[in-house]
Amino acid sequence: GIQVEQSPPDLILQEGANSTLRCNFSDSVNNLQWFHQNPWGQLINLFYIPSGTKQNGRLSATTVATERYSLLYISSSQTTDSGVYFCAVWTNQAGTALIFGKGTTLSVSS
Amino acid sequence: SAVISQKPSRDICQRGTSLTIQCQVDSQVTMMFWYRQQPGQSLTLIATANQGSEATYESGFVIDKFPISRPNLTFSTLTVSNMSPEDSSIYLCSVAGRVTEAFFGQGTRLTVV
Repeated sequence: GIQVEQSPPDLILQEGANSTLRCNFSDSVNNLQWFHQNPWGQLINLFYIPSGTKQNGRLSATTVATERYSLLYISSSQTTDSGVYFCAVWTNQAGTALIFGKGTTLSVSS
Repeated sequence: SAVISQKPSRDICQRGTSLTIQCQVDSQVTMMFWYRQQPGQSLTLIATANQGSEATYESGFVIDKFPISRPNLTFSTLTVSNMSPEDSSIYLCSVAGRVTEAFFGQGTRLTVV
């Protein structure tokens, strides 16, 4: 099956710093999403981005489907950005579902 | 976006017992899924809940341990049977259309003692 690799696994930042999270996937995909899991375990949808670039406030994402990777940019990080960021992909094969990477754990300190 | 209500939000259960988790969506959805997230780990797909027929299970998950129902397009249940401490996890319901954005319920945090 498809492999989804996220890097780095852990990231520690000072408040106000910028960061880039990466997601590589091993096969072509129909869908790619970025999620933020807060400390209470809730998954928050950040981006639905099978290709191209999107921005939402301090966050933006770019997916280059032909090269099988996606990037999540966080600018001017805040302590509330802390948590785990997951990349998940949905392949072209029938009968499949979102497959998750192992996540990047982000800690932002003040 | 779909609004997903998952119940219970958390529970502490005795080993050997079973717990049924409910997932209710505010609109008809094509696809419903159940995921497990073990402590400190990523999400793993348990099964696809099929409306009116048996669920499709992923490798490593079996119907006897995780029976799933989906009587209509807005509701599904997952039962965790004969629980052991290793079943302590967050269980999440997810919904999606075909090739559209997927959404998740708030999860059920299960602790087995």
